[in-house]
Amino acid sequence: GAVVSQHPSRVICKSGTSVKIECRSLDFQATTMFWYRQFPKKSLMLMATSNEGSKATYEQGVEKDKFLINHASLTLSTLTVTSAHPEDSSFYICSASYPRQGSYEQYFGPGTRLTVT
Amino acid sequence: DAKTTQPNSMESNEEEPVHLPCNHSTISGTDYIHWYRQLPSQGPEYVIHGLTSNVNNRMASLAIAEDRKSSTLILHRATLRDAAVYYCIQGGANNLFFGTGTRLTVIP
Repeated sequence: GAVVSQHPSRVICKSGTSVKIECRSLDFQATTMFWYRQFPKKSLMLMATSNEGSKATYEQGVEKDKFLINHASLTLSTLTVTSAHPEDSSFYICSASYPRQGSYEQYFGPGTRLTVT
Repeated sequence: DAKTTQPNSMESNEEEPVHLPCNHSTISGTDYIHWYRQLPSQGPEYVIHGLTSNVNNRMASLAIAEDRKSSTLILHRATLRDAAVYYCIQGGANNLFFGTGTRLTVIP
């Protein structure tokens, strides 16, 4: 099956610093990638949809200037959490749509656990 | 926003079938029904999806009610590795809005 990786898997940063999370589709080209956030014992919340070569579409309530998304190639999307605060501590997960006509499967990365101290 | 409702938790004995229900009473004619599952500290995994007809794959079966307002995910023989949170999602291929899901416990 299609594989999506994320890096890093865990990161601890100090309040006020920025953190970049990478999401890669390893064996397919993904024109669309998605970013989710998940708090402990909660469900996934869609943050934004990232299309290769264009600006990301953010869900309501998600600050685009705080969560910078770049999708510069068909295999890489990045999420940068700027000026991180402790309340940004969460599990961040990306996914990619498989580019086969009629395919409705999304492939998820293993997630990145961010802790802001 | 999540539009489906599922029981918070279910239990099953190992090697027995499991039927996970989902209500999606607001589903539109073009919405698909997707099922994903998530093991602890991992990203979700695609299980199955369908539109109107029942679907089978190597992981599970999906039974969709005739009025499409509900569906049931069927695991034919639960194993310990099937213990996870199962999410039922209505919508298109993109923009999956996850609800709270059903936490499946498999009892050895």
